[in-house]
Amino acid sequence: SQQGEEDPQALSIQEGENATMNCSYKTSINNLQWYRQNSGRGLVHLILIRSNEREKHSGRLRVTLDTSKKSSSLLITASRAADTASYFCATDASGGYNKLIFGAGTRLAVHP
Amino acid sequence: SAVISQKPSRDICQRGTSLTIQCQVDSQVTMMFWYRQQPGQSLTLIATANQGSEATYESGFVIDKFPISRPNLTFSTLTVSNMSPEDSSIYLCSATSDGYTFGSGTRLTVV
Repeated sequence: SQQGEEDPQALSIQEGENATMNCSYKTSINNLQWYRQNSGRGLVHLILIRSNEREKHSGRLRVTLDTSKKSSSLLITASRAADTASYFCATDASGGYNKLIFGAGTRLAVHP
Repeated sequence: SAVISQKPSRDICQRGTSLTIQCQVDSQVTMMFWYRQQPGQSLTLIATANQGSEATYESGFVIDKFPISRPNLTFSTLTVSNMSPEDSSIYLCSATSDGYTFGSGTRLTVV
C-alpha cells in the first residue's frame, strides 16, 4: 500500500508563478525523494533529501523535510510550461532495503 | 547511477496470455524492484528481487500472478500471467546503485 499522500492532487498555474506541492508519510524514513513524470513516461529523479536534512535546493527546486510532522514540500519557482507533469514523492523507509513507497502524486499544469 | 534497459516498451496482449518484461542493468546491483502504475495512478511496489533468492512480494501481489526471476546481479524479469484487462498498466523496474534508477517502463494493454 502507498505510504504517502500528496496535496494538492492537481494544481493549475500560470507561467512565472511558483508551485508548491506537499507530501505526507507515515513511518520513519532514511530519505525522501521527488520525481517527475511526463505523460505516463519514465520517472525523472529530481532531488533526494535525507532524514537529517531540513532543506535542499537544486536550481529552481526547493525541498523541505519536517520529520516531526512526517511531511515534505516541493517548491518550483518561476514555473515554465515545460514543468507541466506529475510529481511524486517517494520514501525510502528505515530497514536498508532501499525500496521506495510512492505518494499519490500531484498533477501540475503550467499555462503559458 | 546505473542505467537500466527495459523491454518491451509497450505491448498489446490478449487476455489469458502472459507477458515477460526484461530489465538489464549496466552494473551489478544487489536488489531490483518492480512497480506497477495503473492508469492515472501512482506507482505501487510489486516485489523486491534479490539475486539467488525468491522475490519478496508486497501485500496484494502473489508469485503465481507475477513470477520474477533474478538469475544474476544485472538482470531481472517480471512475468504478468493469465492477463486480464485489469492488468493494463505501466510496469517499471528499478535498482539502487549510487542512486536510484528506473527503467523507462513497459506500457501493457490487455484486450
